Amino acid sequence: GAVVSQHPSWVICKSGTSVKIECRSLDFQATTMFWYRQFPKQSLMLMATSNEGSKATYEQGVEKDKFLINHASLTLSTLTVTSAHPEDSSFYICSARGTRLTDTQYFGPGTRLTVL
Amino acid sequence: GEDVEQSLFLSVREGDSSVINCTYTDSSSTYLYWYKQEPGAGLQLLTYIFSNMDMKQDQRLTVLLNKKDKHLSLRIADTQTGDSAIYFCAESKSGGGADGLTFGKGTHLIIQP
Repeated sequence: GAVVSQHPSWVICKSGTSVKIECRSLDFQATTMFWYRQFPKQSLMLMATSNEGSKATYEQGVEKDKFLINHASLTLSTLTVTSAHPEDSSFYICSARGTRLTDTQYFGPGTRLTVL
Repeated sequence: GEDVEQSLFLSVREGDSSVINCTYTDSSSTYLYWYKQEPGAGLQLLTYIFSNMDMKQDQRLTVLLNKKDKHLSLRIADTQTGDSAIYFCAESKSGGGADGLTFGKGTHLIIQP
């Protein structure tokens, strides 16, 4: 149980285009989903927290107009990188937390974005 | 300094025990986690410990927490080649990770034959 998937797993796009990444909780309902970013040989940095049906809460320094997050259902959250540039190239990882107070975060396999 | 610190590399011989250390700065941390990341993959939760516990054991894994020194360790007994990965220490202030986690930079565990 507690499986989280991401799609796509790998994407290459041209500078200036937008890319959408999906995060799904496959066998549980996730009231809260988190988006992290990981640069090569670096740690994961929290970008934003999204609760189902609410606007996402962004961490300091993360541009909300650049990284659009939608959490329209209890099993799906999307991250759209708008007008992507090479510096947005990174590994994006989502996590999902279930509805129980004792639930922990379960992480997806990540999406590697390369912007040319 | 960083909120969560780990050494970047640890090399051990196959069959020996591995001990990965982590220090954190926030005394209000309530949950501390260990995650494993294999190359090109996402994070796998290995274990976690509440801040009111000193030790937790789960098969080959033993977690020790010294809350006074804000020091956390992960011991892997009988280290195997499949244990080769990056191990991340993480902390959260709320139960069950209701808030985002703060991660260390990860310790790359290298297994020597």
